[in-house]
Amino acid sequence: AQSVTQLDSQVPVFEEAPVELRCNYSSSVSVYLFWYVQYPNQGLQLLLKYLSGSTLVKGINGFEAEFNKSQTSFHLRKPSVHISDTAEYFCAVGKYNTDKLIFGTGTRLQVFP
Amino acid sequence: DVKVTQSSRYLVKRTGEKVFLECVQDMDHENMFWYRQDPGLGLRLIYFSYDVKMKEKGDIPEGYSVSREKKERFSLILESASTNQTSMYLCASSTGLAGGPLQETQYFGPGTRLLVL
Repeated sequence: AQSVTQLDSQVPVFEEAPVELRCNYSSSVSVYLFWYVQYPNQGLQLLLKYLSGSTLVKGINGFEAEFNKSQTSFHLRKPSVHISDTAEYFCAVGKYNTDKLIFGTGTRLQVFP
Repeated sequence: DVKVTQSSRYLVKRTGEKVFLECVQDMDHENMFWYRQDPGLGLRLIYFSYDVKMKEKGDIPEGYSVSREKKERFSLILESASTNQTSMYLCASSTGLAGGPLQETQYFGPGTRLLVL
């Protein structure tokens, strides 16, 4: 069965520091990969997605992620975070020829001044 | 901008009540989804719909049903609410044009936080 693992439930970081949020997936076939962000009291919005092509994907708000097929990972990074990046981040995986996205359990990023 | 609206932000119901959660999107999207979000479990798909009057079960459909009579509206129904259905419910939509729902961005509503007493 397909699954998504976000190893860190919470990541505290100081403002202007770099951050990496980890996502690993299990699938024996090719997948599509997404990162969504949920700001407090809001719905989710797309940060970035990997469908094919370049393994380094750039998204909104300075975030980027790298698809690593050999390590089945899609970690999210930002070189310098802001207070406004405080939110919950969800990794999601879709398997070719299926209809559903599988979401991870989320990582809460807390940025401190 | 795509807008997905949900009828209530907060809802309190009693066990056994029939509950309707409404979702409306204004971008003529083909696909619509209902998820529930619980701490430590992430988002889980309840039902989705590719077209008017069409529906497909997601991962946790038990205790829920859906209705899509118009393209822009997708309703989630709890036939007899139970305390284990206390949760945050999120509706989403996507265009249906990219050759498959998994390639598309899903646009989410703000969520309905349901408390069943």
